Amino acid sequence: ILNVEQSPQSLHVQEGDSTNFTCSFPSSNFYALHWYRWETAKSPEALFVMTLNGDEKKKGRISATLNTKEGYSYLYIKGSQPEDSATYLCASPSGNTPLVFGKGTRLSVIA
Amino acid sequence: GAGVSQSPSNKVTEKGKDVELRCDPISGHTALYWYRQSLGQGLEFLIYFQGNSAPDKSGLPSDRFSAERTGGSVSTLTIQRTQQEDSAVYLCASSFQLQGHLTGELFFGEGSRLTVL
Repeated sequence: ILNVEQSPQSLHVQEGDSTNFTCSFPSSNFYALHWYRWETAKSPEALFVMTLNGDEKKKGRISATLNTKEGYSYLYIKGSQPEDSATYLCASPSGNTPLVFGKGTRLSVIA
Repeated sequence: GAGVSQSPSNKVTEKGKDVELRCDPISGHTALYWYRQSLGQGLEFLIYFQGNSAPDKSGLPSDRFSAERTGGSVSTLTIQRTQQEDSAVYLCASSFQLQGHLTGELFFGEGSRLTVL
């Protein structure tokens, strides 16, 4: 099973700041890279599913890039708001395991 | 409801008791997944179903864990003789396609929080 690593583990930013997180994964046998947002007491919610090298996706103030050759993805949040506070998870399929998740980046946005 | 439904939302049990966790996926979704998150850990894969069959059960932590899915819909995760290390949030997810995780998103329930005293 491949290792999916995320950094930083946690992050505190001021409202209005822009921020980004990193997800790294083995580049061999790549299928897809998923990003999810998990707010406390709610269910994880998909942000992006990316499959192509060089892909960039955007949803509102959140965007993501993918580099499958070097095995990393960045998630960007522009102008962070308190409602962005959540744990951000990335995941990738590996062998018989549908999705291997990283441990997440816990974001706290301070008003 | 339109989403993935899990029950119970919270379960407190005594060590040695059996528990059953239920997942009702989105109607029409063929793939169903079980994960758990223990305190301080990431999401750990347990098992997934394509239709009613589970291609790989090696993710289940021990032989005290079992899961089934009937009628291509509801799934039950059973933990026998619970231990304190079984305490975790158990998440269920579904996707529309078989192997939908390769190209599409998973839809998660809100989880069942299990506490073993």
